[in-house]
Amino acid sequence: EAGVAQSPRYKIIEKRQSVAFWCNPISGHATLYWYQQILGQGPKLLIQFQNNGVVDDSQLPKDRFSAERLKGVDSTLKIQPAKLEDSAVYLCASSRGAVEAFFGQGTRLTVV
Amino acid sequence: KQEVTQIPAALSVPEGENLVLNCSFTDSAIYNLQWFRQDPGKGLTSLLLIQSSQREQTSGRLNASLDKSSGRSTLYIAASQPGDSATYLCAAKGGYQKVTFGTGTKLQVIP
Repeated sequence: EAGVAQSPRYKIIEKRQSVAFWCNPISGHATLYWYQQILGQGPKLLIQFQNNGVVDDSQLPKDRFSAERLKGVDSTLKIQPAKLEDSAVYLCASSRGAVEAFFGQGTRLTVV
Repeated sequence: KQEVTQIPAALSVPEGENLVLNCSFTDSAIYNLQWFRQDPGKGLTSLLLIQSSQREQTSGRLNASLDKSSGRSTLYIAASQPGDSATYLCAAKGGYQKVTFGTGTKLQVIP
């Protein structure tokens, strides 16, 4: 089966600009996660969707970050405006039930 | 709230040694525990998945164990090789299918 697809793979933007990331989960996976991984740290959950509803967004900086999952399939994560500290790898994952989570290759964001 | 801790944060061993990486979690009500490998600048590669009903899983030179009652998992790497150098992450899947990651152990295997 096809894996989790993310795009773009790399993005460099200036601070205060906006950026969007896209994720296509594995077909049939109802749960979709977005993680932020800062260099040298473990991934931190930003938002978790169950179909198109939000399960957990407690660590999402809502003043600048937003995410949506239209029709319970693809998802986009947006940052507006970006700050230097947003430089990180953004990982998308999907899962079905209690089985393992599958991760995409990630998007490396550099804010200059 | 689930908290996952990995000790040590970094480890350097000579080639050929057997080694153990540790993962602790605070909430034992988990569905599964997953071990990942991450190379610098790369994504996550899933190594082993242990379901809550299992005690261990093996893949090649890797063996992962799970003790839910004590909130611990270990990843055992036999006969380490320089190619094993990477960061190893554990992640616990619990209620509402929430996946919580540990802080990672950075492993360096010296030739």
